[in-house]
Amino acid sequence: KAGVTQTPRYLIKTRGQQVTLSCSPISGHRSVSWYQQTPGQGLQFLFEYFSETQRNKGNFPGRFSGRQFSNSRSEMNVSTLELGDSALYLCASTATSGSSYNEQFFGPGTRLTVL
Amino acid sequence: AQRVTQPEKLLSVFKGAPVELKCNYSYSGSPELFWYVQYSRQRLQLLLRHISRESIKGFTADLNKGETSFHLKKPFAQEEDSAMYYCALSAITGGGNKLTFGTGTQLKVEL
Repeated sequence: KAGVTQTPRYLIKTRGQQVTLSCSPISGHRSVSWYQQTPGQGLQFLFEYFSETQRNKGNFPGRFSGRQFSNSRSEMNVSTLELGDSALYLCASTATSGSSYNEQFFGPGTRLTVL
Repeated sequence: AQRVTQPEKLLSVFKGAPVELKCNYSYSGSPELFWYVQYSRQRLQLLLRHISRESIKGFTADLNKGETSFHLKKPFAQEEDSAMYYCALSAITGGGNKLTFGTGTQLKVEL
């Protein structure tokens, strides 16, 4: 099976702009989660989608949003970018049945730099 | 609320020495605990989870509910074990789940 893919891998934006990141989960996985990784805060949960519905949300401002499509692909959007949004954004897909139940498989991440 | 604590940012050991990476958690319900590893220039990957009770690459971890700990151990460290290790907790809430990560421990195995 192909792994989780994320596009783009690198992105440079300026303050005030908005950005959309994309994630394609492992085939058959219906749950997609997003995490922000920074040197100061570590890995922090943003939100989780399952069957096009947001199931869980972390403690991030409303500028961070996401969605999931019927093919389980997911996007996250950050509006009005701030310098502090510079981070590695990780996507993970979760098996919801079988031997890998509840195991999250991570993508390589999108490195966002806000100037 | 759930919390995962990894007290050591960096752990340096010699090859062949025992390794113990500490992890303590705080959660009011029944947690599922994981260890994830990130090797240099590779993506984050699952090392082991407490429910499987497996030994992966010589590593083991036992969930101690009394001490709320899930320490990762290996009797003899190898150079290829050098990596960043994250302890994580999964709490099933509202029909979904999320991972709460510790801050990670950088393991350096020296020759």
